Amino acid sequence: GEDVEQSLFLSVREGDSSVINCTYTDSSSTYLYWYKQEPGAGLQLLTYIFSNMDMKQDQRLTVLLNKKDKHLSLRIADTQTGDSAIYFCADLRKDTGRRALTFGSGTRLQVQP
Amino acid sequence: ETGVTQSPTHLIKTRGQQVTLRCSSQSGHNTVSWYQQALGQGPQFIFQYYREEENGRGNFPPRFSGLQFPNYSSELNVNALELDDSALYLCASSARLAGGPASPWLVHEQFFGPGTRLTVL
Repeated sequence: GEDVEQSLFLSVREGDSSVINCTYTDSSSTYLYWYKQEPGAGLQLLTYIFSNMDMKQDQRLTVLLNKKDKHLSLRIADTQTGDSAIYFCADLRKDTGRRALTFGSGTRLQVQP
Repeated sequence: ETGVTQSPTHLIKTRGQQVTLRCSSQSGHNTVSWYQQALGQGPQFIFQYYREEENGRGNFPPRFSGLQFPNYSSELNVNALELDDSALYLCASSARLAGGPASPWLVHEQFFGPGTRLTVL
């Protein structure tokens, strides 16, 4: 996952907004995804953005994409304790034939009550 | 709940043994991908199956092999287990897009099962 980088840890208070950042290297990426993983569980697809978009909003989630800087962010509004999990960004790259997801190492979000 | 199921949930094996992990796809999905997630890491792509044939492979040795069945369920087989094979193995099912916006072979929206935790002693 060295081609997709994320910060390791983020701690926020309940009710605040969380912003999780991700940088990627492949300019041919078409779709970029955010997945959530709770302890001992598989990955839950949260949202995605197509590379010709700058922003996508889905309820409490806002995804921002800066193609020039190859930077992706996920903002969670009104963060709740149930949002505590590991968040992975992933892209769908040309060098995998646009078949395989390339994941970052994940950002652990801790929400303090 | 994604509708993707995996079995078993946990497995303990010893070095040199062989293991078979199973995955049932979400209804309507014809493509299955397998990923290995080592502790503290993001998942890494092993391979993908489409219409019972391997359709892309990551950087994994040939002792990792798979099958896809006519009902689109799938197996991952690992021979000659090594300690480093200890990981969470995830399968993901998806519907292959025809004539998608970027490529006819684009595989979008992969939905993951809960995983099988393999421990090799």
